[in-house]
Amino acid sequence: AQSVTQPDIHITVSEGASLELRCNYSYGATPYLFWYVQSPGQGLQLLLKYFSGDTLVQGIKGFEAEFKRSQSSFNLRKPSVHWSDAAEYFCAEGNQGGKLIFGQGTELSVKP
Amino acid sequence: DGGITQSPKYLFRKEGQNVTLSCEQNLNHDAMYWYRQDPGQGLRLIYYSQIVNDFQKGDIAEGYSVSREKKESFPLTVTSAQKNPTAFYLCASSGDSSETQYFGPGTRLLVL
Repeated sequence: AQSVTQPDIHITVSEGASLELRCNYSYGATPYLFWYVQSPGQGLQLLLKYFSGDTLVQGIKGFEAEFKRSQSSFNLRKPSVHWSDAAEYFCAEGNQGGKLIFGQGTELSVKP
Repeated sequence: DGGITQSPKYLFRKEGQNVTLSCEQNLNHDAMYWYRQDPGQGLRLIYYSQIVNDFQKGDIAEGYSVSREKKESFPLTVTSAQKNPTAFYLCASSGDSSETQYFGPGTRLLVL
């Protein structure tokens, strides 16, 4: 069955440090991949998406993600984390039937 | 101002009662979705609709019902058959070939 794995349930980084959140997908040679962010009690906001083309995708709020087909990965990165980045992050894959398969999420805490 | 609205923000259900969660979008999107979110479990798909007057069950449809009489609206009813309804409910829509889903702010359902 199609699945998306986010290996890290909770990550803590210091403000100003770099960040990488991991995501592995299981379906498709040309997947549709997404990263969303959710603040407590809020809906999900789209950070970035990948469909084809350049494997390094730029998103909002200074985030980027790199698609690596050989590793079935789509890791999210940010060079310098701000306290306001503390939130939960979800990776998702489209199954080309209109549905998204979500990972379990990674909760990011930021130390001052 | 285009977007997705969900109401109410908080909803209380008494035992044996049906309650309806509202989801409205003015993005002119064809597809709409309902997800349930529980702590540590990511998002699970309840129902989705790709066109007016048609909808399909998702992964956890038991105890829920929907209708799609208008393109803009996709209400979700949590019936008395849903024995564990306490959760955060998210509505989403998509309308372009990229199948990107955009989310509303969510409704938190609590049981009295």
